[in-house]
Amino acid sequence: AQSVTQLDSQVPVFEEAPVELRCNYSSSVSVYLFWYVQYPNQGLQLLLKYLSGSTLVKGINGFEAEFNKSQTSFHLRKPSVHISDTAEYFCASGTGRRALTFGSGTRLQVQP
Amino acid sequence: EAQVTQNPRYLITVTGKKLTVTCSQNMNHEYMSWYRQDPGLGLRQIYYSMNVEVTDKGDVPEGYKVSRKEKRNFPLILESPSPNQTSLYFCASSGPTGLWTGELFFGEGSRLTVL
Repeated sequence: AQSVTQLDSQVPVFEEAPVELRCNYSSSVSVYLFWYVQYPNQGLQLLLKYLSGSTLVKGINGFEAEFNKSQTSFHLRKPSVHISDTAEYFCASGTGRRALTFGSGTRLQVQP
Repeated sequence: EAQVTQNPRYLITVTGKKLTVTCSQNMNHEYMSWYRQDPGLGLRQIYYSMNVEVTDKGDVPEGYKVSRKEKRNFPLILESPSPNQTSLYFCASSGPTGLWTGELFFGEGSRLTVL
């Protein structure tokens, strides 16, 4: 069975500082990995995905993530955050059968 | 505009009173799914549907029913709601079969409170 662990439930950070949101996954088979973002009172939207190929993937709004198979991690990074990045971020894994397993979420709080 | 529409967005009800949360998508997607979101637990899949008349259980199906009579609609039915079904519910859809990109399109959510 798959599982996704997001190690931090909340991450406070000042505006223009870098940020890393951590995600570890476990799976006995090859996985696809995703980061979704949920802005207040909205549904989730896809931020970026890793299906295969280059382990560094770039997404919308300047976010990127690196797939590390040996460490079973898929951490999300941004070199300089903005107030508008305040949201909840979910890491998810899938095996291609259209069922995603989500982590518990990390609330990013960007302070001025 | 491509979208997934859920109704109602907010609902307060009482234990045992049947209710239906509707979901409709205008993208001609074959795959649709229901998730519930609870603090500290992330999103958990309730039911999903690969196509019309094809539905299957997700991780937490107890207390819920679904139907898929038309491609665009995928209602979630709570026959006898209980307080432990108080949650934020999301409907999601995904594009054609074949290469799956993992992108789910989510509705804005339906916040349900069962007293």
